[in-house]
Amino acid sequence: DIVLTQSPALAVSLGQRATISCRASQSVSTSSYNLMHWYQQKPGQQPKLLIYDASNLASSIPARFSGSGSGTDFTLTINPVQADDIATYYCQQSRELPNTFGAGTKLELK
Amino acid sequence: EVKLVESGGGLVQPGRSLKLSCAASGFSFNDYWMGWVRQAPGKGLEWIGEINQDSSTINYTPSLKDKFTISRDNAQNTLYLQMSKLGSEDTAIYYCARALTSYWYFDFWGPGTMVTVSS
Repeated sequence: DIVLTQSPALAVSLGQRATISCRASQSVSTSSYNLMHWYQQKPGQQPKLLIYDASNLASSIPARFSGSGSGTDFTLTINPVQADDIATYYCQQSRELPNTFGAGTKLELK
Repeated sequence: EVKLVESGGGLVQPGRSLKLSCAASGFSFNDYWMGWVRQAPGKGLEWIGEINQDSSTINYTPSLKDKFTISRDNAQNTLYLQMSKLGSEDTAIYYCARALTSYWYFDFWGPGTMVTVSS
């Protein structure tokens, strides 16, 4: 299985930039796609799609969210961070079966 | 409006079976792959598996393949997860989700149903 590694937590101040990383144990990119996706989960709620194919913003997601990366290293950026962004963020790869998720990064206020 | 609503969760004894349902509305259910994901209390997300539109292809995470069965009824717009030989490690919130096969991600998720395995 492809293992996705995320830092457990990140502390950030409101209005600042947050950079959340996800590293895959092997490449999740093809010649055409970067099969890494990002979800936001707030306490007591289901996950919500933010970014698909590494850098495509999902419908209705604010432009302060962006994604980048290819191969094994991917990044979710939130700039500027707002209070409503405090949540846990998960990466997911769909390059190989079984699809796998990272353990999540909890975004906290500094 | 796309809507997914899971049901069937609850308290179940170890070793028993349970079948979860996911009612879909607001979209053409038989045009989409669907999947199940679970989350143990305080833990991260675990991909369980997925099923294609006509049930001819079903993929599972290997560790759950012998315990869980995914199925669907397109006439009833419903997705199912049959779980057997349940153990405490299966205690979790179970989410159903709609899959987009352009890049194989989940674009809509249900609110989940809680399954507690305990005697």
